[in-house]
Parts: sequence; structure tokens; C-alpha cells
Amino acid sequence: QVQLVESGGGVVQPGRSLRLSCAASGFTFRTYAMHWVRQAPGKGLEWVAVISYDGSNKYYADSVKGRFTISRDNSKNTIYLHMNSLRAEDTAVYYCARVQEYQLLYDSFDYWGQGTLVTVSS
Amino acid sequence: AIRMTQSPSSFSASTGDRVTITCRASQGINSYLAWYQQKPGKAPNLLIYAASTLQSGVPSRFSGSGSGTDFTLTISCLQSEDFATYYCQQYYSYPVTFGQGTKVEIK
Repeated sequence: QVQLVESGGGVVQPGRSLRLSCAASGFTFRTYAMHWVRQAPGKGLEWVAVISYDGSNKYYADSVKGRFTISRDNSKNTIYLHMNSLRAEDTAVYYCARVQEYQLLYDSFDYWGQGTLVTVSS
Repeated sequence: AIRMTQSPSSFSASTGDRVTITCRASQGINSYLAWYQQKPGKAPNLLIYAASTLQSGVPSRFSGSGSGTDFTLTISCLQSEDFATYYCQQYYSYPVTFGQGTKVEIK
């Protein structure tokens, strides 16, 4: 069965960095694009970033562009979100999600992790 | 970025009701539209993709329609487990965008 498990969240001071991980299992990881989506407390869903199945294409939300970097290691079935210059408004639960069809970049998200909470506070 | 606007933002309904949620895109997105259900403290769950295709395992009381800029999610006979927040999402172009959500509460 498909499983996505996020880790790396926690409390961090403004301006500092944090790296989130999402470990995948139960499917051929190297053939699927993967996303990060976040949700601030009591708010709606906000898409953050995507990486194509082979890592050759990446897109970011304007709110994180230049501060966050998405990457993947297909040998470890893991994607990462490197977050720099963190701000209070980055406080959210961060979910990783898989696209539905292999190799597609423009697709709905059929599996989601349980999320990891990032709190940016001094 | 394409803006997705859902209506209403929230409403109350009773078990057995037929409910409809609408989603409007600020520009045409063909049928690159998905609907998700989210319950408190849980990850979103895919209900509908390609505007009208029911995700495997989702009850048939859920249905979606629309194309271009106007879309609807219908629950034909509301069940107790359907009280949740629903989001539309366009994946026609990047950045992917979600609607602001529609909370369905018990009347």
C-alpha cells in the first residue's frame, strides 16, 4: 500500500532554516511527480512546490520562491523541502502528496502524508 | 496565478439533503479540476478528478460536473460522515491553486 511519511517539522526561529523529508513506499517512487502543500492553522490549503519524477522540473509558489528548494533522492524514495529565511507566516502543517498518474506533472493528488507541523516563532 | 473561488464558504445541512458546492476559475482550465474532502486533523482526501471522474473507493453519492471556468460538486444524499470541508483545485497550470474551502456543518 502507498505510504507517505513526513518528518523534520518543529519549532524554529524566524530567519532560520529547516529541512523536511517525505519518505515514500508502496509504489515505484522514481516514476511519480511529488508535491508539498501546506495549511496554516485554521486556514485553507496552499500549494508550495512540485518536483517531476526525474527531478528535471520544479515549480514553486510565489510566497516561497527563492527561499524554499524542493529536491528528491530516488535511491532513497524520499523528497525534501529545504526551507530558508523562515517567517512567521510559514507556520503550517506541511503535507507531501503524490500525483495520480506516473510521469505526469499536471495531475490531481491521490495520496497524501499525515503532515508535519512547522512553527516559526521566537 | 489562476484564482479559484468557491461558494458558499460554509453552510448547514441535514443528513439526507442534496447539497451542491460551486467553484469558479478566473480563467479556463478545461477539466483540470479536482475536489478534496478534509476532516479536522486529517490530510485531504481526493474525491473527484478531471472535473467529473469519481476516485476509486469514493461513494457514488459524490459527483462532479463542469468544464472551462464553472464547476460543481454534488452530494446526492448527505451522510453523517460527509460533514467536512471541501476544496476545489486546479492543476491546469502552475502554480496549482486551491479554492478557499467550503465547510459543511450539521444543521
